Amino acid sequence: EDQVTQSPEALRLQEGESSSLNCSYTVSGLRGLFWYRQDPGKGPEFLFTLYSAGEEKEKERLKATLTKKESFLHITAPKPEDSATYLCAVRGSGTYKYIFGTGTRLKVLA
Amino acid sequence: EAQVTQNPRYLITVTGKKLTVTCSQNMNHEYMSWYRQDPGLGLRQIYYSMNVEVTDKGDVPEGYKVSRKEKRNFPLILESPSPNQTSLYFCASSPNLPGHLNTGELFFGEGSRLTVL
Repeated sequence: EDQVTQSPEALRLQEGESSSLNCSYTVSGLRGLFWYRQDPGKGPEFLFTLYSAGEEKEKERLKATLTKKESFLHITAPKPEDSATYLCAVRGSGTYKYIFGTGTRLKVLA
Repeated sequence: EAQVTQNPRYLITVTGKKLTVTCSQNMNHEYMSWYRQDPGLGLRQIYYSMNVEVTDKGDVPEGYKVSRKEKRNFPLILESPSPNQTSLYFCASSPNLPGHLNTGELFFGEGSRLTVL
């Protein structure tokens, strides 16, 4: 069964304190691993798609990496505006279903 | 402005009273889907549609119906709502069929918070 587990559930950082969020997954034939950001009261907003182990994507202070079993979202020198819930999702081969993790709630303190 | 629009945004109803949550996108996307988001359970896919008149079940379809008569619209129907369907619902669309090598980006609506008493 396809599954996504994110850790930690919640993370508090001081402004400028870099850290990483983890997304562990099991899927039959990965057809994409996705990172989204969700602000309170809003729909998720797309950040990255990763397709194969070793792939990396960057956007401002965020960098996503992928191995055969997990993905990391690295946040470098975060700012308070990076506070949000970060969601990870996967899609397996032969399916149009997206499986989401429960997210990591990130709070960056000024 | 490119967007996915859901209505209503907030609804309180009673058990058994049929309701429809509408979803409309103005981006000419083929793929549309519905999710529910519950604390501790994350986003779970209810139904999805790859194109007009083509729909399929997600992971939690029980108690829900959908239809795709037009490309832009994908309504979610609760024929006889029950309290366990109290949740935050999201509609999403994607510009390409996920079977192709592309970003697979989902564009989400703002959500519809449903309470069933």
